[in-house]
Amino acid sequence: AQTVTQSQPEMSVQEAETVTLSCTYDTSESDYYLFWYKQPPSRQMILVIRQEAYKQQNATENRFSVNFQKAAKSFSLKISDSQLGDAAMYFCAYRSAPRYSGAGSYQLTFGKGTKLSVIP
Amino acid sequence: EPEVTQTPSHQVTQMGQEVILRCVPISNHLYFYWYRQILGQKVEFLVSFYNNEISEKSEIFDDQFSVERPDGSNFTLKIRSTKLEDSAMYFCASSRTAGQPLYSNQPQHFGDGTRLSIL
Repeated sequence: AQTVTQSQPEMSVQEAETVTLSCTYDTSESDYYLFWYKQPPSRQMILVIRQEAYKQQNATENRFSVNFQKAAKSFSLKISDSQLGDAAMYFCAYRSAPRYSGAGSYQLTFGKGTKLSVIP
Repeated sequence: EPEVTQTPSHQVTQMGQEVILRCVPISNHLYFYWYRQILGQKVEFLVSFYNNEISEKSEIFDDQFSVERPDGSNFTLKIRSTKLEDSAMYFCASSRTAGQPLYSNQPQHFGDGTRLSIL
């Protein structure tokens, strides 16, 4: 079974500064997907960024980027130029990549989350 | 942008009563999921649903739980006889595919959740 660990229950960052949220995972699979979801106080979980394990290039989405270290099983999220609207719970999630229909697990396995506060 | 919608936003129910949580997935999505998040804990997978049947379920999803797609738009989670420990936030999610073709990575889109409180 896969596990996802987020070792930072809470983080804070000054507005306009950069913050990195850490995530490690454990798996015996070689193909998988990794995600960061954001859950603001309004509750809806929003996809922030995703990474396919077979891609060596780190994913980026505007101010959000990841540092994907496959050998170390590490998947950290960097938020640049932090904004007040970035304040939320951030969840790291893992999903298998089945090779054919019906194989493997499509479920997301989540970490416990990191609560990010942005200080004006 | 299309969204997953869930109703009600908050449900309060007496222990032992049946509860139905409702979800309207994104219209062209084919895969549907339920997750729950007990206060202060991680989000946990309950069940996935495809082609009118359960494709996968977790240990949490015991005989007290059932899912249904009663029409072309709704996806429901029923808890037959609620227990105190069922109190949680329940999230519905949907995706267009679940991983096909190979390396297809269609993300799951989540609803706002239903907060279920069992008294």
